[in-house]
Amino acid sequence: QLQLQESGPGLVKPSETLSLTCTVSGASISSTSHYWGWIRQPPGKGLEWIGSIYYSGSTYYNPSLKSRLTISVDTSKNQFSLKLSSVTAADTAVYYCARRTSLRPFDYWGQGTLVTVSS
Amino acid sequence: EIVLTQSPGTLSLSPGDRATLSCRASQSVSSSNLAWYQQKPGQAPRLLIYGASSRATGIPDRFSGSGSGTDFTLTISRLEPEDFAVYYCQQYGSSPRTFGQGTKVEIK
Repeated sequence: QLQLQESGPGLVKPSETLSLTCTVSGASISSTSHYWGWIRQPPGKGLEWIGSIYYSGSTYYNPSLKSRLTISVDTSKNQFSLKLSSVTAADTAVYYCARRTSLRPFDYWGQGTLVTVSS
Repeated sequence: EIVLTQSPGTLSLSPGDRATLSCRASQSVSSSNLAWYQQKPGQAPRLLIYGASSRATGIPDRFSGSGSGTDFTLTISRLEPEDFAVYYCQQYGSSPRTFGQGTKVEIK
């Protein structure tokens, strides 16, 4: 059974870099049929797609975050990661990692992790 | 960027009622790449519908999707107690992928 699990600090200071990792179990992140992505949800608000990555390292970013965003993949650990720099309170959200099949929407999601930006 | 507008914001219905949720796109969604998700408090979204009208694995047939171009609909034929939740549409045909703001289906 495919499972995705987010991990990382729950509190980040303003202007610093938010770093999260998603560990995939039950399937290989090197699958040629799948893409791996990050989505966030500010408390009480809607969903925002952050970006996606293919096992080869090809990335697809939301233009609204692109200048601050890095998504990477580590196939040896079956993990992919998110780094968002220069964070502000507006980046406070539950961050989800998820999988999608080529030409399909996200079908498997992690449980999500709350990241709060505060001094 | 394709903006998705969902209506109504809140739908107050009783178990057994029919629910009709709307999602309108600011421009045509390519190849009907439109999905619907259900989200309950404290949980991740759950994929219900993809390709505008195809049910995801394990989704009951009381959930159905329809539409094309810029207008899409999610219908729940008879609401069960576990269906009261927030529903989001998402287009995944063009980048950036975008979501609607959600429709809350609450118990009347």
